[in-house]
Amino acid sequence: EIVLTQSPGTLSLSPGERATLSCRASQSVISSYLGWYQQKPGQAPRLLIYGTSRRAAGIPDRFSGSGSGTDFTLTINRLEPEDFAVYYCQQFAISPAPFGGGTKVEI
Amino acid sequence: QVQLVQSGAEVKKPGASVKVSCKASGYTFTSNDIHWVRQAPGQRPEWMGWIKTANGNTKYSQKFQGRVTITRDTSANTAYMELSSLRSEDTALYYCAREGVAGQWEYWGQGTLVTVSS
Repeated sequence: EIVLTQSPGTLSLSPGERATLSCRASQSVISSYLGWYQQKPGQAPRLLIYGTSRRAAGIPDRFSGSGSGTDFTLTINRLEPEDFAVYYCQQFAISPAPFGGGTKVEI
Repeated sequence: QVQLVQSGAEVKKPGASVKVSCKASGYTFTSNDIHWVRQAPGQRPEWMGWIKTANGNTKYSQKFQGRVTITRDTSANTAYMELSSLRSEDTALYYCAREGVAGQWEYWGQGTLVTVSS
């Protein structure tokens, strides 16, 4: 079973700065099935990126994804106040479609 | 527009079962598969299972095998998730999510809070 480990656990940044979030898999992941979500309190996860680097509909271009194999990255350029949230990576190719432990981006 | 609307919050006693619904609109229901995910307080989301809405085929996480049943009613454009033998650790928000053509889970229901308490 694939395990996804996200780092750091918490990222303390200011609006306008860049956030770099890491997701490491315990074994190689098919890039087409690696995604990133944003979640705010009381809300469902919101898909940001799928296929490692494809932005979901309506997602601003300050969000970008990259990586391959076992190492994947979500970059948020020029943080906006609404970007402060928890971010999860997920691989959805093979059940049980695990999520990473999350990175909290806080002010 | 695509919408997934879930049933309301439930409070159940240990040992009971709960059935959560997920009503789809804004697209052809049988064109996209539905996943069920749960999230306990402060925890990461956890995949429970999946249904191929076109033919009703299902696949479940081993963790929930034997306790979870996912079904669908194509006439009602609705998917269901039933979890039995509830225990306190099953207290969580339960979500349905629609799978897209590239496998992505772009649309999610609003979540259903299931509380298990004696």
